[in-house]
Amino acid sequence: GAVVSQHPSWVICKSGTSVKIECRSLDFQATTMFWYRQFPKQSLMLMATSNEGSKATYEQGVEKDKFLINHASLTLSTLTVTSAHPEDSSFYICSAPRLAGGSYEQYFGPGTRLTVT
Amino acid sequence: SQQGEEDPQALSIQEGENATMNCSYKTSINNLQWYRQNSGRGLVHLILIRSNEREKHSGRLRVTLDTSKKSSSLLITASRAADTASYFCATRGTNAGKSTFGDGTTLTVKP
Repeated sequence: GAVVSQHPSWVICKSGTSVKIECRSLDFQATTMFWYRQFPKQSLMLMATSNEGSKATYEQGVEKDKFLINHASLTLSTLTVTSAHPEDSSFYICSAPRLAGGSYEQYFGPGTRLTVT
Repeated sequence: SQQGEEDPQALSIQEGENATMNCSYKTSINNLQWYRQNSGRGLVHLILIRSNEREKHSGRLRVTLDTSKKSSSLLITASRAADTASYFCATRGTNAGKSTFGDGTTLTVKP
């Protein structure tokens, strides 16, 4: 079964509004989670590393004030797209590393499709 | 730039044929994972291969890893139309660190 969940699975919002996406690790704790973005027919690009209890680390070119990340607990990270614009329309996927068989395996959420009109 | 580069970018084969996709990377890795993604859907984990492993099998899937060449390959044998999807490799440098994805290979299997 799924070990990382995301909510919502899809969302349509109007330009200028903010949207919050949740990423939860199920039955394991994750001090670190990762947020990726995928545009149509492209690969996944890492946006930021979410750290429980401290500030997120953003990749170059990702606006931290636009993509707010909060990792308030060991099982929940949220990504808020603030003042969304049509160009923010994308597929957002989170992941969390989980120890399995002596090494860490990356578990991905099912993704959230954001459409900004 | 992406850590992983995959080739071919697109591959079209007939049902029953084998499909081979390659992934190259630049820096040292802890492990490499292959994922499948159907159009508009999330990622499905296929296989994880650790840096000290050379080959792994799972059903019709065979993954190889050559750390000296910094490359990996995914072989799908006896392909089916349902294998049509995009396939990505993702590398991780540290144990719990981020994954870096290749550009992906779009596989089309014609019935």
